[in-house]
Amino acid sequence: NAGVTQTPKFQVLKTGQSMTLQCAQDMNHEYMSWYRQDPGMGLRLIHYSVGAGITDQGEVPNGYNVSRSTTEDFPLRLLSAAPSQTSVYFCASSYVPGETDTQYFGPGTRLTVL
Amino acid sequence: RKEVEQDPGPFNVPEGATVAFNCTYSNSASQSFFWYRQDCRKEPKLLMSVYSSGNEDGRFTAQLNRASQYISLLIRDSKLSDSATYLCVVSGTSYGKLTFGQGTILTVHP
Repeated sequence: NAGVTQTPKFQVLKTGQSMTLQCAQDMNHEYMSWYRQDPGMGLRLIHYSVGAGITDQGEVPNGYNVSRSTTEDFPLRLLSAAPSQTSVYFCASSYVPGETDTQYFGPGTRLTVL
Repeated sequence: RKEVEQDPGPFNVPEGATVAFNCTYSNSASQSFFWYRQDCRKEPKLLMSVYSSGNEDGRFTAQLNRASQYISLLIRDSKLSDSATYLCVVSGTSYGKLTFGQGTILTVHP
């Protein structure tokens, strides 16, 4: 098992550009989520999904879109990048919703918006 | 008040020391509690779940005090390899959501 994979590992964008961060898992997990991590802020939930076709907003959803067409993939789209979106982004998955189960994290994408 | 609060540290301790971290949470309805470990520039990984009765895993002991709404992590006989950031994690108010503390930095030195 590869576990949770994320691409790219590093990305530099200019303000106003759009891009998609990819996340995939091969553990047949129903629950997937996206977090951003900023210094001194801990991880904050952006969007999450409890199964294919079902997504919901987290704590900081503005400026991001998600979709979940398959169990394996959960891409995060930045619509129009802003410097405030400079952060480290982690995708996570678990077999059942994260309240009671171990969250498995991907290696992260380090995004810089100029 | 933040939903989950931790002392960010850093805690600098010598090898062999015992160190304790505390974490407080604001949502009295929270049901699930965890400690995650994050190495520098890596992803978080589950260290241990925290149960009401307290639980132990080798050198690590976790305690939960629901009345006071705090969680603790005790590390005995610290190793150099314990150097990391320790994240307190609490289930949120909505289905499937977790709230992370900002983390406590631990450095174990020879």
